[in-house]
Amino acid sequence: EAGVAQSPRYKIIEKRQSVAFWCNPISGHATLYWYQQILGQGPKLLIQFQNNGVVDDSQLPKDRFSAERLKGVDSTLKIQPAKLEDSAVYLCASSRGGQGLVQENIQYFGAGTRLSVL
Amino acid sequence: EDKVVQSPLSLVVHEGDTVTLNCSYEVTNFRSLLWYKQEKKAPTFLFMLTSSGIEKKSGRLSSILDKKELFSILNITATQTGDSAVYLCAVPTGANNLFFGTGTRLTVIP
Repeated sequence: EAGVAQSPRYKIIEKRQSVAFWCNPISGHATLYWYQQILGQGPKLLIQFQNNGVVDDSQLPKDRFSAERLKGVDSTLKIQPAKLEDSAVYLCASSRGGQGLVQENIQYFGAGTRLSVL
Repeated sequence: EDKVVQSPLSLVVHEGDTVTLNCSYEVTNFRSLLWYKQEKKAPTFLFMLTSSGIEKKSGRLSSILDKKELFSILNITATQTGDSAVYLCAVPTGANNLFFGTGTRLTVIP
């Protein structure tokens, strides 16, 4: 079974530029998550999708961050314009997202995109 | 407010040592606790714990949950250099998104 795919692996941009990240979840996983991990910290949720609908985006800085999952499969996360403090690893995760067994909510992570904003 | 606190923040041991990593939590509507290992960038799933006192085991790694005292431990016996990583503890909150601790960085010296 293929894992969660993310691209690019690395991105360096200057502040005020825009950037986009792509994620393809594990096949059949209904729930998709984007996390931001700043160096030395644990991942923090940015947005959660169930199929193509947003479940939780309460921690997404909506003035500069946006995300979509139009067909309920892959997803893109965009930052526009970027700030220095956006330098982090952006992790995508997916889970089956069923309403039954707790195990269906185990999240599997992609390798992430390391963003450096100069 | 939900909290997940891991200790120690970092740990350096020699190969063959046994280590114990700690995770305490405060979360409304507890459902489970998860442990992940993060070597490069992708956290990889280790264990999900839902019941107190039942040990989960995988090779040299084991974990147990205490729902009364609100903590979990992750044990690694006979450590190897390949165990060097950041170990993350997380609890599902809200709509099952994960609230993570800051992690414990384990370094195993040959």
